[in-house]
Amino acid sequence: QKEVEQNSGPLSVPEGAIASLNCTYSDRVSQSFFWYRQYSGKSPELIMSIYSNGDKEDGRFTAQLNKASQYVSLLIRDSQPSDSATYLCAVINSGYALNFGKGTSLLVTP
Amino acid sequence: NAGVTQTPKFRILKIGQSMTLQCAQDMNHNYMYWYRQDPGMGLKLIYYSVGAGITDKGEVPNGYNVSRSTTEDFPLRLELAAPSQTSVYFCASSYSSGLWEQYFGPGTRLTVT
Repeated sequence: QKEVEQNSGPLSVPEGAIASLNCTYSDRVSQSFFWYRQYSGKSPELIMSIYSNGDKEDGRFTAQLNKASQYVSLLIRDSQPSDSATYLCAVINSGYALNFGKGTSLLVTP
Repeated sequence: NAGVTQTPKFRILKIGQSMTLQCAQDMNHNYMYWYRQDPGMGLKLIYYSVGAGITDKGEVPNGYNVSRSTTEDFPLRLELAAPSQTSVYFCASSYSSGLWEQYFGPGTRLTVT
């Protein structure tokens, strides 16, 4: 079974700080990586995709990918209470289907 | 665009009953997927489809069936419901080649008692 691992948290950060969420994956041939945000009782919402090594920035979000270390991370700058949610890391190993981690719970405290 | 829609939002089934979860998308996506999410667990793929008339099993297909007669619709059938099928079910869709970003529907919360 190809694994996607995340720390379950909760990760607690104060408002305005940088939240750093991490994910490791076991399948070296993985090519596509995604971060989803899921509020309690809601469906996953795509916030970032990344396909090549390095950083990708979109507003307050930065995704970082290191294929050699099999590691992908998400940074949230200027964290807001509305960012409090579970963040799911997902990887396409082969074919078309996403392989999800169990998610990291983020709590941003005012 | 409505995106991905799912019906019903909630359903309670008795053991042994059957039902169909509906999923539709209006984004002209070729690829569609069914996932289930249990508390504290990641999403698990049940079935997926790469186009009308083509379906394939995912990680946890037992107890489920699918069909894909049109690009827009991808219903999931539960036969002989069991308590182990109590879960939240999400349908998702994506474009074909090049972009694998999947977009999710609002989900169906199913309880089997």
